[in-house]
Amino acid sequence: EVQLLESGGGLVQPGGSLRLSCAASGFIFSNYVMTWVRQAPEKGLEWVSTITVSGGNAFYADSVKGRFTISRDNSKDTLYLQINSLGAEDTAVYYCTKGKTTATRTGYDYWGQGTLVTVSS
Amino acid sequence: DIQMTQSPSTLSASVGDRVTITCRASQSINSWLAWYQQKPGKAPKFLIYKASSLESGVPSRFSGSGSETEFTLTISSLQPDDFATYYCQQYNSFPQTFGQGTKLEIK
Repeated sequence: EVQLLESGGGLVQPGGSLRLSCAASGFIFSNYVMTWVRQAPEKGLEWVSTITVSGGNAFYADSVKGRFTISRDNSKDTLYLQINSLGAEDTAVYYCTKGKTTATRTGYDYWGQGTLVTVSS
Repeated sequence: DIQMTQSPSTLSASVGDRVTITCRASQSINSWLAWYQQKPGKAPKFLIYKASSLESGVPSRFSGSGSETEFTLTISSLQPDDFATYYCQQYNSFPQTFGQGTKLEIK
């Protein structure tokens, strides 16, 4: 059974940093593109970042470019999102998602339960 | 960036109804489109990929169609479990983008 378990969310002050983690199981992690998607309270879904299977390439939304860094450790079956210089607009549930294929042109067939990041003083 | 526009934003329907949700892309995305269902407090569920391919385990009352810039999600006979919010997503190019969502409500 595929499982994606996010952790690392919480309350952080404006300008602060967090590192989100996503522990994957039930599939060959190194074979799939992985992506973070977020959802602000009562809002729609927003694609944040995607990383290729090897970790050699990463793509970011303009809203997070330069502040967020996606990475993966295929030896630990874990995806990460380092988020810096947080602002109120970053308050959201962050979902870890698995690509259906190895390609970056893919939908996301499994989602974690999400981890809430709240930016507030 | 490619903008995805869903219509309607809200749809009221009854059990047994046939409903259609439309998603329009601001430029061609070929067939690189997915649909998701989300219920309150839950993660989205993957329904359809490549515009018309049904994900394994998804009931056959769900279907998708379209290409280039216009796409539809159809539910042939609404069931109580189908009342939720639906999102389209283009994955033709980065930044990937979602539609704003369509909330399907019970009439």
